[in-house]
Amino acid sequence: AQTVTQSQPEMSVQEAETVTLSCTYDTSESDYYLFWYKQPPSRQMILVIRQEAYKQQNATENRFSVNFQKAAKSFSLKISDSQLGDAAMYFCAYRSYYGQNFVFGPGTRLSVLP
Amino acid sequence: GAGVSQSPRYKVAKRGQDVALRCDPISGHVSLFWYQQALGQGPEFLTYFQNEAQLDKSGLPSDRFFAERPEGSVSTLKIQRTQQEDSAVYLCASSSTGNTEAFFGQGTRLTVV
Repeated sequence: AQTVTQSQPEMSVQEAETVTLSCTYDTSESDYYLFWYKQPPSRQMILVIRQEAYKQQNATENRFSVNFQKAAKSFSLKISDSQLGDAAMYFCAYRSYYGQNFVFGPGTRLSVLP
Repeated sequence: GAGVSQSPRYKVAKRGQDVALRCDPISGHVSLFWYQQALGQGPEFLTYFQNEAQLDKSGLPSDRFFAERPEGSVSTLKIQRTQQEDSAVYLCASSSTGNTEAFFGQGTRLTVV
C-alpha cells in the first residue's frame, strides 16, 4: 500500500517570502500522480498543483512550484511571494495511475505572518 | 451544479443515533469518493463509486457505515448507532472520466455527544 509522509506539522513564513513544504511517499508503482491540496478553515480542499510521475519537468502554477524527485520519492511544494491568503493546511496526496483512491499525508499547517 | 455540495454542513448526534450525510457531486462526474477526516489529520478513504456501482468500500471502518448512490448522482453516507469515535469531518469528492484530480465539497462536520 502507498503511504504519504509530511514531516512538518507546522510552518510559518513572512509575507512576500518563500517557503517550501516537504512531502515524501512510498510506492512500488512507476506510474502515478502527485498533488498538493490546500484546505482553508472553510474545509474545502482546493487543488494547488498536480504532477504526473512520467513527466520529468516540475509543475508550476503561478507562485506555486514543485520539486519532484522520483528516485528519492520526494515531492516538495514551493510557495513564492507568500500572501496572507496562503495560510491554510496543505496536504500532499498520491493517486495511482490505474487506481481511483487518493492517499493523503497528515498535512502541514502554514501560517503567513504580516 | 457548479461544485460538489454536501449537506448538512454541521450535524450533532447523540450517541446511538443514526445519521445520513448527503453529497451532490458535480453534474456528469462519474466517480464519487467519501473520506473521513479526524481533527488535525489528513483525509482517510472510506469508499468509492463509479456511477451507481460501489467499487471499493475497503475504508469503511465498520458495518455501521453504509454508502449508496442509487442513480449514479447523489450519494448518501449513513452511519448507524453513532459512537464518539465517529466524530469527524466527512468529505465527498467527485471526478470525471479521465480526469486525474478530484473536486471536493466543504464537508459535513459530525459531532457525536
